[in-house]
Amino acid sequence: SQQGEEDPQALSIQEGENATMNCSYKTSINNLQWYRQNSGRGLVHLILIRSNEREKHSGRLRVTLDTSKKSSSLLITASRAADTASYFCATFWTGNTGFQKLVFGTGTRLLVSP
Amino acid sequence: DAGVIQSPRHEVTEMGQEVTLRCKPISGHDYLFWYRQTMMRGLELLIYFNNNVPIDDSGMPEDRFSAKMPNASFSTLKIQPSEPRDSAVYFCASSFVQGELFFGEGSRLTVL
Repeated sequence: SQQGEEDPQALSIQEGENATMNCSYKTSINNLQWYRQNSGRGLVHLILIRSNEREKHSGRLRVTLDTSKKSSSLLITASRAADTASYFCATFWTGNTGFQKLVFGTGTRLLVSP
Repeated sequence: DAGVIQSPRHEVTEMGQEVTLRCKPISGHDYLFWYRQTMMRGLELLIYFNNNVPIDDSGMPEDRFSAKMPNASFSTLKIQPSEPRDSAVYFCASSFVQGELFFGEGSRLTVL
């Protein structure tokens, strides 16, 4: 991947448990975004965390950012079957063209069983 | 707002045929992106436009691919001629400035 790698690639948990996904990236960033993709659907934006923020919450989602380690984590608390999806981190990356573009990591496939 | 609208949702064609994918972005958005998603390569940015002008097309795989945005409410991605390795899901997304992206539901292309 040009910029981001998620870990683990796949995660299987029971309803009610917490799910933690990690993202590592390679270059300096202004912000990092997390997206969710349900099977057969388009991506949906979940949350954006800026480089000067260390933690951000949105409902059952908690995102942390460690710019010194170039890593971020997404925590979903009290997971539900409806949280079953793939989760991607995304950052802006300046490639050889000099233009910034939003590039996505490899994704974590989350399965939440009832 | 109806969101980003893509058509067709599914396309099955034979190798060598021309394929045209269409996208209507969200009104008021000034950026439009075309991504391709495959199991092997994940999500790849093909091209993006700002105010209808192509900014970066470095992700377009070959000359067989072309994209246009004749106005703020319409864009096309064309593949001519198509090959089996072009089989993928193609997503269009739009945004206001370079912020949160809003994705369409995708066009699943199968080239036989």
